Amino acid sequence: EVQLVESGGGLVQPGGSLRLSCAASGFTFSSYAMSWVRQAPGKGLEWVSAISGSGGSTYYADSVKGRFTISRDNSKNTLYLQMNSLRAEDTAVYYCAKDPPLGYCSGGSCYDWGQGTLVTVSS
Amino acid sequence: IQLTQSPSFLSASVGDRVTITCRASQGISSYLAWYQQKPGKAPKLLIYAASTLQSGVPSRFSGSGSGTEFTLTISSLQPEDFATYYCQQLNSYPLITFGQGTRLEIK
Repeated sequence: EVQLVESGGGLVQPGGSLRLSCAASGFTFSSYAMSWVRQAPGKGLEWVSAISGSGGSTYYADSVKGRFTISRDNSKNTLYLQMNSLRAEDTAVYYCAKDPPLGYCSGGSCYDWGQGTLVTVSS
Repeated sequence: IQLTQSPSFLSASVGDRVTITCRASQGISSYLAWYQQKPGKAPKLLIYAASTLQSGVPSRFSGSGSGTEFTLTISSLQPEDFATYYCQQLNSYPLITFGQGTRLEIK
C-alpha cells in the first residue's frame, strides 16, 4: 500500500524559508516521478512542482519558479520542497503526490496523495 | 491548459441526478480525471481517462467526454456524496492543472 507522509509545515514570516519533506513507502520510490500540489484555505488545488524518478528533471509552476526547489533522496525514499522568499499567498496545505507511472492514469493507477502539511506565512 | 468547471456551486437533494461540466481551453484528448474532496481530506480519485470508474467507486458515478468538454454525473445522490469535486487534466503532464472546483451541498 502506498503511503506518503508529509512533514515540515508550520508558521513562518513573510520572506522566510521552510523545507517540507515527504516520506514514501509501499512502492519503489526511485521508479516514480513525484509532485507537490497545494491548496490555499477554502480554495482549489494548484500544482506546484514535479520531479522525475532520477531527480534529473524538475518542473515548477510560474507562481513558485525561482523561489521553490524540489528534490529527492532515493536512498531515503524522501521527497523535499525547499521554499524560500515565502509570501502570504503561499499559505496552503501542501500535498505530496506519487505520479502515475506513464504520465497518465491507467489500469487504476493515477495520483496517490499524502494527507498534507499546513504552511502558514504570516507576521 | 485552463480548466473551467460549471457550476461552481450546486445545491441538490438526496436522490437527485446531478451533472458537473469541465471545459478545457484546448483539446486534451481523454487525459482527464475527476476527484472528490471532503473537508480536511486529500482528494479521492473517482474517474480517470475521462470515463473509467476507479475500482471501489460506486457505479452511480460516471464520466464522459473527450477533447475540450467533459462531464461528471452522479445518478442518484447519496448523503456521502456531498463534497467538492475537481477535474484534472494530464495532457500537459507533468504540468497538470485542476478546475476551480464544484461544491455540492444538500438542499
